[in-house]
Amino acid sequence: EPEVTQTPSHQVTQMGQEVILRCVPISNHLYFYWYRQILGQKVEFLVSFYNNEISEKSEIFDDQFSVERPDGSNFTLKIRSTKLEDSAMYFCASSPLRTGGHNEQFFGPGTRLTVL
Amino acid sequence: GQNIDQPTEMTATEGAIVQINCTYQTSGFNGLFWYQQHAGEAPTFLSYNVLDGLEEKGRFSSFLSRSKGYSYLLLKELQMKDSASYLCALSGGSYIPTFGRGTSLIVHP
Repeated sequence: EPEVTQTPSHQVTQMGQEVILRCVPISNHLYFYWYRQILGQKVEFLVSFYNNEISEKSEIFDDQFSVERPDGSNFTLKIRSTKLEDSAMYFCASSPLRTGGHNEQFFGPGTRLTVL
Repeated sequence: GQNIDQPTEMTATEGAIVQINCTYQTSGFNGLFWYQQHAGEAPTFLSYNVLDGLEEKGRFSSFLSRSKGYSYLLLKELQMKDSASYLCALSGGSYIPTFGRGTSLIVHP
C-alpha cells in the first residue's frame, strides 16, 4: 500500500542553523501539507501546496519557513534559522484531491526536530 | 475563529464501549474529522462527517449534530491496541483541518 515517507526520522541542530525536512508524498496525490506538533500539544497546520505553489498557510508559517517541490517526487520544508521553539514533530501529508468529503489526508511518520 | 473542546483523558475496559465527545464553535463549517494517533506516530484518518447523523465503520462510529456544535466518536468492543489519542478536527471556512488537543484513551484489561 502506498505511503508517505519522511527523512530523516530525527534531526538535531543548533539554534540558528538551517534545516531541510524531506517528504515523498504518495505518487498520484496532488495536494501536499506540512503540520507540526510540539510535544504534548495539538497538531498545527503550517502550509498546503498545490500545482507548485502555496495554496494556504498559517500564521506560524512566517518568513523563516519555505517549501519546495524540487522534482517530481520530493516535497521539502526549510527552516532558515532555527529557534528553540521550532523543536517539534513535523508531519508531511498528501491527499489526492483538496481535503473535503472523504479526500482524507495521508500522514507520513514524521521528523522529530530538536533544536539545541 | 474556531474552538474545539474534548476531554483530556478517558479510561475504559477491554471489550467495553466508549464515547469520546467533541464540542466546537466555528464561523464556517465544511465537515468534522476524527483521527487516531498512537504515541510517537502520525495521525491516521478514522472518519469525516458532513451531515447530521451517525456514520458507522466497523467498530468505530462517528456522530455529528451541526446545530449543537457536537460530535462524538464511539468505539465498540475495545481492544488494547485502541489505546491512543483521538483527535477531533474541524474543517471550517477553508478545507484545512484544525485539530483539537485530543483525548488520550487508556484501555485496560
